[in-house]
Amino acid sequence: DAKTTQPNSMESNEEEPVHLPCNHSTISGTDYIHWYRQLPSQGPEYVIHGLTSNVNNRMASLAIAEDRKSSTLILHRATLRDAAVYYCILNTGNQFYFGTGTSLTVIP
Amino acid sequence: DTEVTQTPKHLVMGMTNKKSLKCEQHMGHRAMYWYKQKAKKPPELMFVYSYEKLSINESVPSRFSPECPNSSLLNLHLHALQPEDSALYLCASSQGQFYNEQFFGPGTRLTVL
Repeated sequence: DAKTTQPNSMESNEEEPVHLPCNHSTISGTDYIHWYRQLPSQGPEYVIHGLTSNVNNRMASLAIAEDRKSSTLILHRATLRDAAVYYCILNTGNQFYFGTGTSLTVIP
Repeated sequence: DTEVTQTPKHLVMGMTNKKSLKCEQHMGHRAMYWYKQKAKKPPELMFVYSYEKLSINESVPSRFSPECPNSSLLNLHLHALQPEDSALYLCASSQGQFYNEQFFGPGTRLTVL
């Protein structure tokens, strides 16, 4: 069974914010939440990760629910280069459990 | 150098062939990983090496044989594969064994005829 669930696809207009949701209701206390994205014909690329508190970096923000059963990846201004499959991942120790991913389409 | 390189980019092999995939990183990372990714599916973990020792084997068939000759290099030896083994094989590395960002290579696209 998948440890995370994500919508199959989402669309966003260019330069608009994008909120990508993820549910991980079986998360344990020591699991980290990672987000990676994968462009066509490339390996996954790190976006952001967190444990309990919200996190910001130059690429995105990660909002984690208080009960940690869900999280949201926020891209503040979508660009055409952000079109990719976004994976929400539970990291237990040195194992990554990939979700099924959300394919993001950015509309010019 | 923050890159993980994989060779070859593409590989076509018959079911009786023996071939190897190679992965290299020069970031001083001590954990390295092999993943398998089928089309339109997420990557699935196959093996984890930590400090050059195999620490996780996710019940992978023995026709896949990993090897870590040194801390920078990871190989995946292939023998007697089946057509359903055709997939993108991704290598990744991370600084330590636990809770670290993983850096992925571009993958080797394998086709088994």
